Amino acid sequence: EAGVTQFPSHSVIEKGQTVTLRCDPISGHDNLYWYRRVMGKEIKFLLHFVKESKQDESGMPNNRFLAERTGGTYSTLKVQPAELEDSGVYFCASSRLAGHEQFFGPGTRLTVL
Amino acid sequence: DAKTTQPNSMESNEEEPVHLPCNHSTISGTDYIHWYRQLPSQGPEYVIHGLTSNVNNRMASLAIAEDRKSSTLILHRATLRDAAVYYCILRGLNNAGNMLTFGGGTRLMVKP
Repeated sequence: EAGVTQFPSHSVIEKGQTVTLRCDPISGHDNLYWYRRVMGKEIKFLLHFVKESKQDESGMPNNRFLAERTGGTYSTLKVQPAELEDSGVYFCASSRLAGHEQFFGPGTRLTVL
Repeated sequence: DAKTTQPNSMESNEEEPVHLPCNHSTISGTDYIHWYRQLPSQGPEYVIHGLTSNVNNRMASLAIAEDRKSSTLILHRATLRDAAVYYCILRGLNNAGNMLTFGGGTRLMVKP
């Protein structure tokens, strides 16, 4: 079965611009998670979807971040406007059931200049 | 979620067993112990998990102390491909257990 895919693999933008990251979970996985690792820090949870609903968005840093999962399939994470401190690697993961093993994508490396 | 404590780094020789320790003295009775690892330039990947009894799978073994305040991930024969950061994570049964709370992990270096 195909794994979790993320697009793009790398993105370089200037401060103030908008970037949209995409995640395609494993087919049939209702649970989708976003995480990120910013420079020098640990991997941190951002939010959790169950199908198209946001189950937990307690990790979203501020209102410049907007996550969607229309139709309960792929998800997008938009950063608008991007700031320097948003640079890092953004990971998406999916699982069949909440609390079960999570399968991670390779991540999107975001660089904000 | 209860916190875990792991050594920052460990070194092993190829083909030898590796024991990666994790302390979780404040673990609750319903917390599962999960291990994930992150290979260079990849996303984290699941390794193994357990509650009370020792567990084995094709990747590793998990030894859980009787009081559950510590656990050890065992790689029976380390290969160069096992060089990664290993994370010990506690997951509860409530909604907070749906997310993974990563600490600093242990960076395992494998020498040929």
